[in-house]
Amino acid sequence: KAGVTQTPRYLIKTRGQQVTLSCSPISGHRSVSWYQQTPGQGLQFLFEYFSETQRNKGNFPGRFSGRQFSNSRSEMNVSTLELGDSALYLCASSLEPTASTDTQYFGPGTRLTVL
Amino acid sequence: AQSVTQLGSHVSVSEGALVLLRCNYSSSVPPYLFWYVQYPNQGLQLLLKYTSAATLVKGINGFEAEFKKSETSFHLTKPSAHMSDAAEYFCAVSVPYIQGGKLIFGQGTELSVKP
Repeated sequence: KAGVTQTPRYLIKTRGQQVTLSCSPISGHRSVSWYQQTPGQGLQFLFEYFSETQRNKGNFPGRFSGRQFSNSRSEMNVSTLELGDSALYLCASSLEPTASTDTQYFGPGTRLTVL
Repeated sequence: AQSVTQLGSHVSVSEGALVLLRCNYSSSVPPYLFWYVQYPNQGLQLLLKYTSAATLVKGINGFEAEFKKSETSFHLTKPSAHMSDAAEYFCAVSVPYIQGGKLIFGQGTELSVKP
């Protein structure tokens, strides 16, 4: 079974632009979570989607948004990029909502660089 | 609120030596606890998880961890280090029944293995 797929793997943008990252979960998984990883702040939870509904949200500004499609694929969008948004963005999928004991499986991440 | 503290951002051991990575958590309610490993330019891979069953949890690649409520600890051990164990290790906590399953991560411990 294929793992979690994230595209693109690398992205370079300039301040003020917007960006969309994509995540395809493991086949059959319906829950997708997003995390931001930076050297300074470490790994931080962004949001979780299940059945096209946002179930949980972390402490990030409204510039960060996401959505989930009927096939469980998810996208996250960051508008008006700032230098501090440079990070590795990780997506994780699980069968059921993360409120269960299901294991979350992580993708390889998208490395975003904002210049 | 939940939090995780990993003692030692950098641990170095010799090949064949005991690996001990320390993790202490803070949670006002019984938590779920996890150890993940991250190899360079890759996502996170689950090593093991504690979800209120047996306190001694065995994971992949010979790793295990013991949940000690009295010490609020969940240290990761491996009897004999292998060169391939060199990576960054993250301890994480969640309380699914209160905050959904979002993972709260420690800052990570980078493990080096000397030949």
